[in-house]
Amino acid sequence: AQSVAQPEDQVNVAEGNPLTVKCTYSVSGNPYLFWYVQYPNRGLQFLLKYITGDNLVKGSYGFEAEFNKSQTSFHLKKPSALVSDSALYFCAVRDTNAGKSTFGDGTTLTVKP
Amino acid sequence: DGGITQSPKYLFRKEGQNVTLSCEQNLNHDAMYWYRQDPGQGLRLIYYSQIVNDFQKGDIAEGYSVSREKKESFPLTVTSAQKNPTAFYLCASSQGTSRGDTQYFGPGTRLTVL
Repeated sequence: AQSVAQPEDQVNVAEGNPLTVKCTYSVSGNPYLFWYVQYPNRGLQFLLKYITGDNLVKGSYGFEAEFNKSQTSFHLKKPSALVSDSALYFCAVRDTNAGKSTFGDGTTLTVKP
Repeated sequence: DGGITQSPKYLFRKEGQNVTLSCEQNLNHDAMYWYRQDPGQGLRLIYYSQIVNDFQKGDIAEGYSVSREKKESFPLTVTSAQKNPTAFYLCASSQGTSRGDTQYFGPGTRLTVL
């Protein structure tokens, strides 16, 4: 069975500093990995995905993610955090079975001015 | 959230009542999904549909029912058999069920049992 782990419930960074939100995965076969962001009382917004190819994936709002097969990780990064980046972030892996997704428990990112 | 609408935004249910949550998409997507979100638990799959007139149970289907009579609509009914229905419910759709197909989410419905 596939799984995703987000080892940090909370990440705090200062505005202007780089941020990293961690995700590790366990799948059989090639992983299809996604990052989403959720603002309070809203649905999830797609940020980026890794299917194949370049290990550095660029997405929306200046976010990027680095796929590392040997460490089975897919960490979300941004070079310079904004206060408006404060939100709940989810990592997900897509299954071969009907495209179902398995989500991590989420990481709350707080960016302080 | 664009392209997927959910209604109502807030819903209150009394004990013993069935309630239906609406999900509509205008993205011409074949696949649709219902997830339940509880604090600190991420998203859990309730039901999914790959095509019109077909749907399958997800990981936590007990106490829920769905229908898929039209491509653009996938309503979820929370029955009285669901013992702890208070949660945030999210509907999603994707072009297909290939692993590379991105799921897009609606704005959610927050259900509270009185």
